[in-house]
Amino acid sequence: GQQLNQSPQSMFIQEGEDVSMNCTSSSIFNTWLWYKQDPGEGPVLLIALYKAGELTSNGRLTAQFGTTRKDSFLNISASIPSDVGIYFCAGQGNTGTASKLTFGTGTRLQVML
Amino acid sequence: GAGVSQSPSNKVTEKGKDVELRCDPISGHTALYWYRQRLGQGLEFLIYFQGNSAPDKSGLPSDRFSAERTGESVSTLTIQRTQQEDSAVYLCASSYQAGGEQFFGPGTRLTVL
Repeated sequence: GQQLNQSPQSMFIQEGEDVSMNCTSSSIFNTWLWYKQDPGEGPVLLIALYKAGELTSNGRLTAQFGTTRKDSFLNISASIPSDVGIYFCAGQGNTGTASKLTFGTGTRLQVML
Repeated sequence: GAGVSQSPSNKVTEKGKDVELRCDPISGHTALYWYRQRLGQGLEFLIYFQGNSAPDKSGLPSDRFSAERTGESVSTLTIQRTQQEDSAVYLCASSYQAGGEQFFGPGTRLTVL
């Protein structure tokens, strides 16, 4: 099935650094979502974006819904060890069933102490 | 429990055998989704239930895959005549209503030898 293009694929950063990752699609979505997945667990929702151009924060996380509705980015400020995991973007509500999620390929984040 | 549960957590089977994977959604959630996650990949949508009916089966990869939901609760994903390429983690999610936030279970890791 379709997967969104997400970059970078992986990142090694120092604790305290800021992180940025982005996601692009060839098709438009009505909602963009960012999830974090820990080993052996299902993804957990971090931030949801519902409007083109919207900028939303959740603690140290900031995400934006691109104005073309075909892209989104996620920033994590002042990274800490528990930020380690895989981050996925997901788009919702373009064609067919509005509820299904189309996921990105993931960004694996590793934080060095 | 309060979250989505899935069983078994791990399943090892021989090529050609049938398997059944179970999902118990959050009580009261009307929408239920199945996704597949291959190693190192994002999640791929398989099927969506609203109540006991499946308005979108577009992600099922072949006629060897089927799913049902009974009593607007438990869902079972069945894979017949398993193949090695079916090896993946199968994740279930539920939401209070279609389009709402999807809460994921921990997944079933299927290995086909």
